Amino acid sequence: SQQGEEDPQALSIQEGENATMNCSYKTSINNLQWYRQNSGRGLVHLILIRSNEREKHSGRLRVTLDTSKKSSSLLITASRAADTASYFCATDPSSGSARQLTFGSGTQLTVLP
Amino acid sequence: GAVVSQHPSRVICKSGTSVKIECRSLDFQATTMFWYRQFPKKSLMLMATSNEGSKATYEQGVEKDKFLINHASLTLSTLTVTSAHPEDSSFYICSASRPGGAGETQYFGPGTRLLVL
Repeated sequence: SQQGEEDPQALSIQEGENATMNCSYKTSINNLQWYRQNSGRGLVHLILIRSNEREKHSGRLRVTLDTSKKSSSLLITASRAADTASYFCATDPSSGSARQLTFGSGTQLTVLP
Repeated sequence: GAVVSQHPSRVICKSGTSVKIECRSLDFQATTMFWYRQFPKKSLMLMATSNEGSKATYEQGVEKDKFLINHASLTLSTLTVTSAHPEDSSFYICSASRPGGAGETQYFGPGTRLLVL
């Protein structure tokens, strides 16, 4: 079952602006991951943040994790038209079968040139 | 980075026929592979976990006789949609976990778009 909820469902911004997407989840996790999907394509792993981490950076990406609120955010700075895609968070549970990811509902980001 | 391939990338078939989709890990051995289904503009839904040399574990609501999974080797898992119907039309994505270490990252295939007429 889907435990991740993302907001907004859709986001449209101008090139150069920052884009922030949020993800909430319900159960305990080992880590939370963010993926990107271009239309009709597979998923590309962007970044992983562990449950004992609060913030992580990778290039123009910044991810935060608040385990007390069971939420995470993905910030893309200085957005480009090529960033247009769907972004999904996925949680790796702290119990049960290993590595069964549960995906959020996704945010469709459109970056206008 | 690790590469996972899927074949075919796109398939159109007639209602009642069976379709086989292959998922291969090209540069590592994957003891566990996952199969997901994705409807347009929706998220990925886990269908089953495929373990090499053993029976797949299906998620609740997924018919195991409808979606046959075989993980015969450490680099290949197959999903066969049996007696396909139009409602089976979807985007099917596989992923593979790299064994050893934390094994935290899954590597996703490019997906297979199935259209059943």
